[in-house]
Amino acid sequence: SAVISQKPSRDICQRGTSLTIQCQVDSQVTMMFWYRQQPGQSLTLIATANQGSEATYESGFVIDKFPISRPNLTFSTLTVSNMSPEDSSIYLCSVAQARTDTQYFGPGTRLTVL
Amino acid sequence: QKEVEQNSGPLSVPEGAIASLNCTYSDRGSQSFFWYRQYSGKSPELIMSIYSNGDKEDGRFTAQLNKASQYVSLLIRDSQPSDSATYLCAVNTNTGNQFYFGTGTSLTVIP
Repeated sequence: SAVISQKPSRDICQRGTSLTIQCQVDSQVTMMFWYRQQPGQSLTLIATANQGSEATYESGFVIDKFPISRPNLTFSTLTVSNMSPEDSSIYLCSVAQARTDTQYFGPGTRLTVL
Repeated sequence: QKEVEQNSGPLSVPEGAIASLNCTYSDRGSQSFFWYRQYSGKSPELIMSIYSNGDKEDGRFTAQLNKASQYVSLLIRDSQPSDSATYLCAVNTNTGNQFYFGTGTSLTVIP
């Protein structure tokens, strides 16, 4: 499976600011996804990062709040904009070679918003 | 009805026992099924995938799939304290071509 890294691994941010999370894969992958995992909860898909086009967002998530970039097949970023304490969560990227294929997860970014 | 349902637990078993984790799903057309393990503070890691009815074994782990009953389970034989984690069931559904996760079952193996 691919080796996936995320930066930063954790951060503490002030309300109203924005944070950009990076996801880097050591090989080209077709699919990249961004998930949120709130404390004690399961994974919620935020969006699918599409290379060269706009991300596909799930219900309840919008581009203005969670802009995503995917400039190539090995890299993606997720920005959490205008943060509030409710955005405190673990953010995970995952990769797969097809939408129906096994997903592998990065180590996650633990975000705390004060 | 949720797409994927798991008993949240917690499930406690003594060391050396068999742990049985269960998962049901709603989309009868689902084709791919996965079990992930997540240690506290870590990201999910894949344990097993299963695509056909029946059992699939990998070391101490056995995944069981019954598409007629829309049921998938994970058995952990000779449970070890290091197996203590949350186990997530994931199903890839045909409808909407979506990957859904259950809420996870917390397992504690007591030495």
